[in-house]
Amino acid sequence: RKEVEQDPGPFNVPEGATVAFNCTYSNSASQSFFWYRQDCRKEPKLLMSVYSSGNEDGRFTAQLNRASQYISLLIRDSKLSDSATYLCVVNGADGDSWGKLQFGAGTQVVVTP
Amino acid sequence: ETGVTQTPRHLVMGMTNKKSLKCEQHLGHNAMYWYKQSAKKPLELMFVYSLEERVENNSVPSRFSPECPNSSHLFLHLHTLQPEDSALYLCASSPTGREGRYEQYFGPGTRLTVT
Repeated sequence: RKEVEQDPGPFNVPEGATVAFNCTYSNSASQSFFWYRQDCRKEPKLLMSVYSSGNEDGRFTAQLNRASQYISLLIRDSKLSDSATYLCVVNGADGDSWGKLQFGAGTQVVVTP
Repeated sequence: ETGVTQTPRHLVMGMTNKKSLKCEQHLGHNAMYWYKQSAKKPLELMFVYSLEERVENNSVPSRFSPECPNSSHLFLHLHTLQPEDSALYLCASSPTGREGRYEQYFGPGTRLTVT
């Protein structure tokens, strides 16, 4: 079983619509969760951290469900510039001082005019 | 956005060549990482340095040799690579995890082609 699993998509979303997708993780002891976005042939960029109570950053809302071991990302009022691959990232939580992250393969989102 | 820089951005090398990739972070972080990203695959962690000490070597072939002379610089020395080593090589850095902050910041990557 993969440590971090994501639906690869693509999710085709009309501009202005809302899109949401999940990611599941296998390590129940994981402590830190992130969403990154990666544009084609570019480096991953941190989109937002995911906190236990859920958090929002503008049009982006992240949720964490520890019981079911998944995190979600919701994008409201989608913009063409939101087209990217969204990477789910989970900390290995093994107590190391440097923090080993597990990356999902990504969910592709395509926002269409 | 120049927190983490990488050079060169593109590299084409033959299987008998020796080359080095360079990474520099300007964020005051204590941990640095090398990742490999092949097409349509998740990032693969290669090496981790924490406070200039290598703490992870993820079963990487010896033809890849990392070097971390200080907390701001990281190198990846390449020697007798194979065509399947062609990929995007990403460097990242992160704050020490003591505060529970594990987010990593990536450089733009070196796109490597082995011929």
